Amino acid sequence: QVQLVESGGGVVQPGRSLRLSCAASGFAFRSSAMHWARQAPGKGLEWVAVISFDGGNDYYADSVKGRFTISRDNSKNTLDLQMNSLRADDTAVYYCVRETEYCSFTGCSYPFDHWGQGTLVTVSS
Amino acid sequence: SSELTQDPVVSVALGQTVRITCQGDIFRHHYASWYQQKPGQAPVLVLYGENIRPSGIPDRFSGSRSGNTSSLTITGTQAEDEADYYCNSRDSSGNHRVFGPGTKVTLL
Repeated sequence: QVQLVESGGGVVQPGRSLRLSCAASGFAFRSSAMHWARQAPGKGLEWVAVISFDGGNDYYADSVKGRFTISRDNSKNTLDLQMNSLRADDTAVYYCVRETEYCSFTGCSYPFDHWGQGTLVTVSS
Repeated sequence: SSELTQDPVVSVALGQTVRITCQGDIFRHHYASWYQQKPGQAPVLVLYGENIRPSGIPDRFSGSRSGNTSSLTITGTQAEDEADYYCNSRDSSGNHRVFGPGTKVTLL
């Protein structure tokens, strides 16, 4: 079955860096667009970044653009998120997410059909 | 980027029907996806497309779209349906994704 397992979370000081990883299994990783999403304590879900199936394109939320970098290794079925210049408001549970695509003649949908269990990042001095 | 709006809280009696809405101009062209999240757990996809439920999602969950509003309806609400529900979609650029702020479904 599909498994997404995040690692790398922890406590980090403001301004420092942290790298998250996600190990994927049970599906054709190299064929799937992958995302990172996050959820601050007591808050809603926030989309963070996406990388295309081949790593050729990546896009970021305005809140992390220029500080975070998403990458993937299709030979190892891994997804990473390099987080630099971390701020207190980056404190959140970070989820690795697979996206799929569904289209009919009336429109398309791009559901996040599988989520990891999340890894907590705490930015604090 | 697009913004999505949801009612913060909706309440429903056990066994009754509740409708959760998500508004955004993007829904004139795309369908929403809907997620259920219970405390301390990762979100779970419950609906996508015009009205498609992933395997294992009960058929009391259904979806619809009208104009700029997508809806998730729970018919015959059960105690285990008490949770937060989020909608999401691509934005108008097609490159970014956006989540609604979430709706907490509580039982009366």
